Amino acid sequence: DTGVSQDPRHKITKRGQNVTFRCDPISEHNRLYWYRQTLGQGPEFLTYFQNEAQLEKSRLLSDRFSAERPKGSFSTLEIQRTEQGDSAMYLCASSLQGALANTGELFFGEGSRLTVL
Amino acid sequence: AQSVTQPDIHITVSEGASLELRCNYSYGATPYLFWYVQSPGQGLQLLLKYFSGDTLVQGIKGFEAEFKRSQSSFNLRKPSVHWSDAAEYFCAVGHNAGNNRKLIWGLGTSLAVNP
Repeated sequence: DTGVSQDPRHKITKRGQNVTFRCDPISEHNRLYWYRQTLGQGPEFLTYFQNEAQLEKSRLLSDRFSAERPKGSFSTLEIQRTEQGDSAMYLCASSLQGALANTGELFFGEGSRLTVL
Repeated sequence: AQSVTQPDIHITVSEGASLELRCNYSYGATPYLFWYVQSPGQGLQLLLKYFSGDTLVQGIKGFEAEFKRSQSSFNLRKPSVHWSDAAEYFCAVGHNAGNNRKLIWGLGTSLAVNP
């Protein structure tokens, strides 16, 4: 069994460029979350999906950020016109939510670290 | 306002010594409580959680935590620390097991283990 996988693990880009991160959740998990984590901080919620539907977006998610989960499986997080303040670790997590499977546990990937020069 | 406080930013212990990491929360409802661990370059892994019932919960890797409602605390403990326990530890609080997006996270405690 594979856990949550994220790609790429590291991305260095110049300010103004677009970047895209991919997350493959645990296959039977219906919920997928994106978080951002900066040094010395806990994870900050960005957005989450229930299957293919994006149910909530944080105010942290500016218009330059877009996330998709087109078939309810993998998800992508795109950042357009990157800024230095976007430098962070972007974490993906998945969970199985349902009447009999509501354990509240998030399974995290190893993260994608973004450095904007 | 709802919040989670981990008072210790950094803790150093000797291998084999006991460990207690503190977590205090401010929450208006009955909380769901979690401890996660993050090793360098890794994602977060759930150590243990408390939803209801016995206030002393056992987790993986020999960790346990005790929920004390009167003190609004959920401290993490381990009787004998191993060098591989060096990592960042996060306490998180939520009000519903299904609303993981609503988790409130502490800033983390960095644990170093001396040989």
